[in-house]
Amino acid sequence: DQQVKQNSPSLSVQEGRISILNCDYTNSMFDYFLWYKKYPAEGPTFLISISSIKDKNEDGRFTVFLNKSAKHLSLHIVPSQPGDSAVYFCAASDTGANSKLTFGKGITLSVRP
Amino acid sequence: DAGVTQSPTHLIKTRGQQVTLRCSPISGHKSVSWYQQVLGQGPQFIFQYYEKEERGRGNFPDRFSARQFPNYSSELNVNALLLGDSALYLCASSLYGLINQPQHFGDGTRLSIL
Repeated sequence: DQQVKQNSPSLSVQEGRISILNCDYTNSMFDYFLWYKKYPAEGPTFLISISSIKDKNEDGRFTVFLNKSAKHLSLHIVPSQPGDSAVYFCAASDTGANSKLTFGKGITLSVRP
Repeated sequence: DAGVTQSPTHLIKTRGQQVTLRCSPISGHKSVSWYQQVLGQGPQFIFQYYEKEERGRGNFPDRFSARQFPNYSSELNVNALLLGDSALYLCASSLYGLINQPQHFGDGTRLSIL
């Protein structure tokens, strides 16, 4: 039972364009959401997070949007760069579970030069 | 500053054996969590420890156990290994293990069961 779903396994984008990575969740108890990036042979690296009290959080080229009513979040990368090519994981947590993270399956982003 | 370090990086075992994986958190971090990542899936939560106490446990059998030491390092033990235990085992640390403190991951231990 996937509580965090990343339904698109891959995304290919031209350098300089916007990348939009989507994530859906089913557990209404989730109130904190994170995105991690993973390169081959490395552990996941924290990218950006958002609390359920917000609907948007921005950090440089990365913006995360949260739509609680739709149980949907998205990560926007503008402009996309070849170095952004990696696997992106959406993760969620709820206050009652301390820092236990529930991850999606990941999306492989390829940014073409 | 050193990040989260895990050892060994790779390990090959046979069914029925036992394995111990090790993790050193970022200096100053008191919480350590363990995750299992099977090929094609996202990491799945196994355990969280804070100040040597187990704070959370995922849906894994009792063959999986862990502990945290006074220096905050941690070990994950798996007994009676099965083929399905083949995976990347990730360790993550954070300051106090709170929801709004992002976890920092090590590069993992790749465990292969023959």
